[in-house]
Amino acid sequence: GQQVMQIPQYQHVQEGEDFTTYCNSSTTLSNIQWYKQRPGGHPVFLIQLVKSGEVKKQKRLTFQFGEAKKNSSLHITATQTTDVGTYFCAGQEESNFGNEKLTFGTGTRLTIIP
Amino acid sequence: DTGVSQNPRHKITKRGQNVTFRCDPISEHNRLYWYRQTLGQGPEFLTYFQNEAQLEKSRLLSDRFSAERPKGSFSTLEIQRTEQGDSAMYLCASSPDYWANTEAFFGQGTRLTVV
Repeated sequence: GQQVMQIPQYQHVQEGEDFTTYCNSSTTLSNIQWYKQRPGGHPVFLIQLVKSGEVKKQKRLTFQFGEAKKNSSLHITATQTTDVGTYFCAGQEESNFGNEKLTFGTGTRLTIIP
Repeated sequence: DTGVSQNPRHKITKRGQNVTFRCDPISEHNRLYWYRQTLGQGPEFLTYFQNEAQLEKSRLLSDRFSAERPKGSFSTLEIQRTEQGDSAMYLCASSPDYWANTEAFFGQGTRLTVV
């Protein structure tokens, strides 16, 4: 079955440093979504990417979808304490048209050193 | 309607007992997902509904787990003969039914502890 892996599993950064998490799927995706989960909270949608090679920005966050639609990345510039949490990618298989199960990645937990 | 609602928020049960959780999705969201999450892990897919039709059930899920969405609105997840390994956060999510926007809105979850 489809597997979605993320690296790194954990990342500790000084406040103000940049952060990147990478997402890799074993199968081609129709789209990739990113979610953020604060400690004790539930996943909250950040963004969706659909097109091959697509790049989207949200203030300090930059999301990229790979050309082969099997990988993605999230980059945060100049991290702030409010960025703390676990970032998950989630994808829907391109070959599974009509059955749009969302498979989540393993997540990257970001902690910030003030 | 301000979001996905799950009840109860917490459930402690003895091993071997049956438990049932309820999820009320956002109105008019046709898709409903159940996920399970343990500490430090990502949400693990359990099952998925399109209206009242259950389209997929995880192969990892034993026959002790069953889910229903009888009228295409709220859903229930039942676990029979609970085991300690069932202890986890059970998350429900719903999403709109058009291909261009499949963002999933999650509820607060039901935390199950089996003792």
